[in-house]
Amino acid sequence: EAGVTQFPSHSVIEKGQTVTLRCDPISGHDNLYWYRRVMGKEIKFLLHFVKESKQDESGMPNNRFLAERTGGTYSTLKVQPAELEDSGVYFCASSLIGTGGSEQFFGPGTRLTVL
Amino acid sequence: GQNIDQPTEMTATEGAIVQINCTYQTSGFNGLFWYQQHAGEAPTFLSYNVLDGLEEKGRFSSFLSRSKGYSYLLLKELQMKDSASYLCAVRVAGSARQLTFGSGTQLTVLP
Repeated sequence: EAGVTQFPSHSVIEKGQTVTLRCDPISGHDNLYWYRRVMGKEIKFLLHFVKESKQDESGMPNNRFLAERTGGTYSTLKVQPAELEDSGVYFCASSLIGTGGSEQFFGPGTRLTVL
Repeated sequence: GQNIDQPTEMTATEGAIVQINCTYQTSGFNGLFWYQQHAGEAPTFLSYNVLDGLEEKGRFSSFLSRSKGYSYLLLKELQMKDSASYLCAVRVAGSARQLTFGSGTQLTVLP
């Protein structure tokens, strides 16, 4: 069974440009999460989808970040316009719905560098 | 707020036993997870504790004391491939199942 996949693996853009990250969760996983790790800091929660609905987006840094999950399958995270402080590794994770101890399966991350 | 502390780095010898501690202060608690992450790869699930006590899974064991806000991950018979970052993460009660992570402990296993 395929794990969580993310595209691209690396992205280097200039300040002010737009970047869109994609996450494909494990098939059948209704929960989808985005996290971010900024250099030297811990992994931090950004937002959570259940199917196509946003359950919690309290971790989104500001309105330059837009996440979507149309159809409840893959998700995209768009950063527009990108700023220097947006550099970091963006992780996506998925888990089954309704299982209390269910672990979250993480993707390999997208390393974003904003110059 | 949420606060999770774990040592930044640890070093151990191949074949030895190492214990990685994690302390947490969170507003509510709904489980503690340990993940392993090799450089450039996805964090992979190691263990989950929600009740006090020890959970054993092969060479890896994890312990939880909810009253003390404390957990540890025990790695036995260390192998070179165990060199990685070990992440402690807490799921806060009432949250949308999101995880709050510590900064990770970078373990280096020496021959």
